[in-house]
Amino acid sequence: EVQLVESGGGLVQPGGSLRLSCAASGFTFSSYWMHWVRQAPGKGLVWVSRINTDGSSTTYADSVKGRFTISRDNAKNTLYLQMNSLRAEDTAVYYCVREMDTIPDYWGQGTLVTVSS
Amino acid sequence: QLVLTQSPSASASLGASVKLTCTLSSGHSNYAIAWHQQQPEKGPRFLMKLNTDGSHIKGDGIPDRFSCSSSGAERYLTISSLQSEDEADYYCQTWGTGIRVFGGGTKLTVL
Repeated sequence: EVQLVESGGGLVQPGGSLRLSCAASGFTFSSYWMHWVRQAPGKGLVWVSRINTDGSSTTYADSVKGRFTISRDNAKNTLYLQMNSLRAEDTAVYYCVREMDTIPDYWGQGTLVTVSS
Repeated sequence: QLVLTQSPSASASLGASVKLTCTLSSGHSNYAIAWHQQQPEKGPRFLMKLNTDGSHIKGDGIPDRFSCSSSGAERYLTISSLQSEDEADYYCQTWGTGIRVFGGGTKLTVL
């Protein structure tokens, strides 16, 4: 069974940092591109970042470029999102999504990040 | 700029059919899209991908009641024999150069 389990969310002050993790199981993690997508409370889905299979290529939404870093550890079957210089507008549920051959077919259940003083 | 436009809301009666629309921005009318469903208080679920040649690939366990089609820059998700559990938000998504783009979502109410 394919599983994507996010963790690491919580309450953080503006300007602070947080690292999210996404533990993958039930499939060959190293064969899939991975994405982070977020959803602010009551709002729609917004793509954040993606990483290719070996981590050599990453892209980011303009809103997080220079502040967030996506990475992966294929030996640990885990995806990460390092979030620095957090702002109130980064408050959202963060989902990891797997994608192969442009088919984004499994989502995690999400982890909530709240940026507030 | 690559933009997907969806109507904010739609409604249809239990047992009826509904067609949701996602419109690609000018200059991007030949792009493939994916449809995702988000039931209340749940994470999104992949429904299907509609390719540029009209073929589609469904997610695991997606019933035949869900289908997709296209015309010009418009992409459609049709749900037939509506059930109460189909009440959800539906998002279309496409692929740009190195990025992914989501539509604003359509909230479907089953009456």
